[in-house]
Amino acid sequence: GQSLEQPSEVTAVEGAIVQINCTYQTSGFYGLSWYQQHDGGAPTFLSYNALDGLEETGRFSSFLSRSDSYGYLLLQELQMKDSASYFCAVPRGSGSARQLTFGSGTQLTVLP
Amino acid sequence: GEEVAQTPKHLVRGEGQKAKLYCAPIKGHSYVFWYQQVLKNEFKFLISFQNENVFDETGMPKERFSAKCLPNSPCSLEIQATKLEDSAVYFCASSRSGNDYGYTFGSGTRLTVV
Repeated sequence: GQSLEQPSEVTAVEGAIVQINCTYQTSGFYGLSWYQQHDGGAPTFLSYNALDGLEETGRFSSFLSRSDSYGYLLLQELQMKDSASYFCAVPRGSGSARQLTFGSGTQLTVLP
Repeated sequence: GEEVAQTPKHLVRGEGQKAKLYCAPIKGHSYVFWYQQVLKNEFKFLISFQNENVFDETGMPKERFSAKCLPNSPCSLEIQATKLEDSAVYFCASSRSGNDYGYTFGSGTRLTVV
């Protein structure tokens, strides 16, 4: 089976840096994705790490350590609009396509 | 278009009634996924399609749920005899290929069963 664990809530102030961790247990591992969801709206894809290391995209970075079954999303220079839920996800299934299994999400609140 | 279009945005059904939800994936995307999200919590996978073929339906409660993706038509998810616990937001997502894990999601259909 598969399980992902991430904190349920994180709070930080505007301009700060915040790290959202995700640990996973999977029967086969292909990579780790991150999605952002504002107030129940359409989830938006942020990043996908298939290999170990840090991937940077603007203010957001994502890190993966396959040996530790662990990854994180790093948000820098926090803005109020970053207040949202963040979900880590891993592909599962077999064959030529695998659907994503999502964690329970981390609610990030950015304070002024 | 470059968005996944889901209709309707909101749907209210009495317990036992039928509900039908629609999803138009992005043109050129071969894979479609349906997820159920209850109370803004985790996403429960229901079913996936590769073009018009069911790819994985391991998440579907088959006794009441069915789905189709027919050529030149929006995909659909149908719930026969809705129950209170079916109240959720149903998201559709599409991807270009089977190993593309950057899905594009639609805005969802909020189903309320009363």
